[in-house]
Amino acid sequence: ETGVTQSPTHLIKTRGQQVTLRCSSQSGHNTVSWYQQALGQGPQFIFQYYREEENGRGNFPPRFSGLQFPNYSSELNVNALELDDSALYLCASSLAGSSSYEQYFGPGTRLTVT
Amino acid sequence: AQSVTQPDIHITVSEGASLELRCNYSYGATPYLFWYVQSPGQGLQLLLKYFSGDTLVQGIKGFEAEFKRSQSSFNLRKPSVHWSDAAEYFCAVGADSWGKLQFGAGTQVVVTP
Repeated sequence: ETGVTQSPTHLIKTRGQQVTLRCSSQSGHNTVSWYQQALGQGPQFIFQYYREEENGRGNFPPRFSGLQFPNYSSELNVNALELDDSALYLCASSLAGSSSYEQYFGPGTRLTVT
Repeated sequence: AQSVTQPDIHITVSEGASLELRCNYSYGATPYLFWYVQSPGQGLQLLLKYFSGDTLVQGIKGFEAEFKRSQSSFNLRKPSVHWSDAAEYFCAVGADSWGKLQFGAGTQVVVTP
């Protein structure tokens, strides 16, 4: 069984730039959720994707967007980067329905915005 | 509004001693409850979950947690900690209809020899 993988591991960007983070789901999982974890805080829900559509969204502005592909992998895109976007971005995969709460996380992508 | 509170930001425990981490939630119904562990620079690993049924649940690495509806709590315990248990622990609640997890701020556990 293949776990959740994310790329890249680390990324440094400049304020105003755009970034794309990638996630591959655990095998058999069809739902992907993205979280932002600022230093010293718990993860904050960004959004969830199921059947290639956004299934729910947290309190994040529209410049945070995502995609899910037919193989259930996913991308998180952030436009017009701000310094406060510096964080660990975590992807989690799960099954749909009530099982969507049981989420398995990847190692994360550490984004630094300068 | 839904909320998850982990009252202890930091706990220091001796190796071999018992450990209890507190978690309180605020939600109208019985939510789905989880504990995750995060080692430095790593993602989150699921320790255990509670959906329904027996209020004492067993997890991996010798951890257990007890759901107490009357106290809106889901405390994590381990009878004897190992140095490898040093990490940050997060309580999470699944309370929306479609799988959003809401996390507490975390408890940092330090294990001393």
